[in-house]
Parts: sequence; structure tokens; C-alpha cells
Amino acid sequence: DGGITQSPKYLFRKEGQNVTLSCEQNLNHDAMYWYRQDPGQGLRLIYYSQIVNDFQKGDIAEGYSVSREKKESFPLTVTSAQKNPTAFYLCASSTLPGQSYEQYFGPGTRLTVT
Amino acid sequence: AQSVTQLGSHVSVSEGALVLLRCNYSSSVPPYLFWYVQYPNQGLQLLLKYTTGATLVKGINGFEAEFKKSETSFHLTKPSAHMSDAAEYFCAVSGRGAQKLVFGQGTRLTINP
Repeated sequence: DGGITQSPKYLFRKEGQNVTLSCEQNLNHDAMYWYRQDPGQGLRLIYYSQIVNDFQKGDIAEGYSVSREKKESFPLTVTSAQKNPTAFYLCASSTLPGQSYEQYFGPGTRLTVT
Repeated sequence: AQSVTQLGSHVSVSEGALVLLRCNYSSSVPPYLFWYVQYPNQGLQLLLKYTTGATLVKGINGFEAEFKKSETSFHLTKPSAHMSDAAEYFCAVSGRGAQKLVFGQGTRLTINP
């Protein structure tokens, strides 16, 4: 079955540590996205990528980094510079704009930093 | 630039009653509009979308939405609520040439038995 995989489902880290969240898709989609979700704030875009080895900052990129070395993979690193990292993180993918605009979402990773 | 406003962060209806979730958008280009549903601790699932053509769009689970350009609205409805409809619903807008979706704040739907 085609889809998006995010791992792990739950992640716990100590303050000051970097942590990398995994996102893999086998939908052959060109574009991939990372969102952060906090209660009552909807989805906020962190980073997105439309092609391998290229990515753009979203609305809340500070304290995060990404890479896109393979079409299928778009890992997100939450660095120690992110002041409030505890949140639900969602990865999504889509075909390129102009072909189809809907995004398909993974199951999410809930990150707790103490 | 695009934006979405969902009226009501929390809507509560009785089982069997009409569900109406409101979404208004702003877009500088012809909009493409979406409704997503999210169950607790899960990702978002596409309910329906409007890109071009018929303005009344039918989706999964008995939901439908109507694109009204004059009102810049894309409200989501379902004639008869079911307990399984309890979830959070997000409206989103994109448009020709846009590179990303813009989401509303979400509406939490509660179904009373």
C-alpha cells in the first residue's frame, strides 16, 4: 500500500538535545512538507521541498532543519534552538502544484521535551 | 496571498442532526479548496476538494461542501450526524501557482447522543 510513514509515533527528549523525526513516502510524490500542530493553532508550515536537494522555509522554520537527499525521504531535525519543541509534527506529500493540490498526511509524531 | 477563517472552534450537535461547519477564504487567485478530518492523535485525511467545475462537491462519509464565490465560502455539511463524525475538521485553500496549502484553525465537532 502506498502511503507516508512517520516514526516514531511518540518521542521523548531532554531539553538541549537535537532530535530527528523521520518521514518516508512511497507515493512517488515530488513535494514534501513538515507541519507543527499545537492545540487551537491549526497547522503551521515549518519547511517544504519540491525537489531533491532543495527546500524552502515555511512560516516557523526557526530552530528546525531539514534535508532532502532522496525523493522518498524528508527528515526533520528539531534543534536545541527551538524554544518550545513539544508539539505534534505532521509530514505530508503531494504531486507538484499544477498537477494536484491536495496533500497526503502521515500519522504524525508527538514530541515531548522535558 | 491566501487565508482561511473557520467560524467556531467548537461545534456540538446531536446525533442525527445536521452538521454545518463554516469556512470562509481569501485568495488573490482562483482558489482550490479542501476539507480535511483529523481523529485524535492521527494525521489528516482528505474529505473532499474543489478545484474547478461543479461547485457542489461530495466527499467521503456523507459529507459535502459548496463553493460560493460571491460569499467566498466553502461550508461543510452532512445531513445526519453520526457518533463516528466526532473529530477535528480543517478547511484549507490553495490556488493556481501556489506552492502550499493554507489551513484554518480547525473546528472540533462533538456529537451528543
